[in-house]
Amino acid sequence: EAGVAQSPRYKIIEKRQSVAFWCNPISGHATLYWYQQILGQGPKLLIQFQNNGVVDDSQLPKDRFSAERLKGVDSTLKIQPAKLEDSAVYLCASSLRGNSNQPQHFGDGTRLSIL
Amino acid sequence: AQTVTQSQPEMSVQEAETVTLSCTYDTSESDYYLFWYKQPPSRQMILVIRQEAYKQQNATENRFSVNFQKAAKSFSLKISDSQLGDAAMYFCAYQKTTRGAQKLVFGQGTRLTINP
Repeated sequence: EAGVAQSPRYKIIEKRQSVAFWCNPISGHATLYWYQQILGQGPKLLIQFQNNGVVDDSQLPKDRFSAERLKGVDSTLKIQPAKLEDSAVYLCASSLRGNSNQPQHFGDGTRLSIL
Repeated sequence: AQTVTQSQPEMSVQEAETVTLSCTYDTSESDYYLFWYKQPPSRQMILVIRQEAYKQQNATENRFSVNFQKAAKSFSLKISDSQLGDAAMYFCAYQKTTRGAQKLVFGQGTRLTINP
C-alpha cells in the first residue's frame, strides 16, 4: 500500500512570506494529523481532522497557521506570515480512524527553513 | 496534561549487542496506549512497537521488546542483536482518545548509534 505522501520535501522562504504544504493520506484513512517537529524535539500535534472536520486544533497558532481538508482526503497546511521560529519539519500522518488502537502512519515530512 | 520523558539524549551500542532505551510518562488515566517510533535521517516516523495499557503482557516484535511497568509509569524499549540499520532517533509516545481526538504526545527522543 502507498504511504502518506507529502510535498514539497524542502522549502526555504524569508520571514513574513507565506508557504503551503500538501499531504495525501493513505487511501481509506479517515483521520489526518499535522505535526510540527522543531530540531532536537519530538513532534507536536498541530491539528487533527476526522474526514473533513476538525477534531482538535488547540495547539495550532491560528493567527498565522491554517489548515483544510477538502473532501476528506488531501490536506494543506498554510503559514502566513512566517516567523523565524516556524523553522521545523512539518509531518503529516494518517490513521484508519481516530481510535487509540489505530497506529498513525507518517509521511517523510517537509523541512521548512525561514531566513 | 500528559508528559513523556526520555532521559537519555544519546545512546550507543556495539553491533550484535543489546541496548535498552528508557521512557517514563505521567498520566492520571488508566486506559491508554504507548508506542515507540523510530526516525531515521530520512525523517519518516516508523512504528516499532505498541503496548495497550490494559495488557499486562509485554509487547514483542522480533528483536524489539518492551518492559511496561504501569504502576511506575515506565515503558522501556529493548533492542536485541543490534544491527547497523537500527541507528536512528527513537521516540516514546503516549496516546489517549479524548472526545474523539486522538492525542499522541512524544518524548524528546534518544539518538541511538550502532558501532560496527
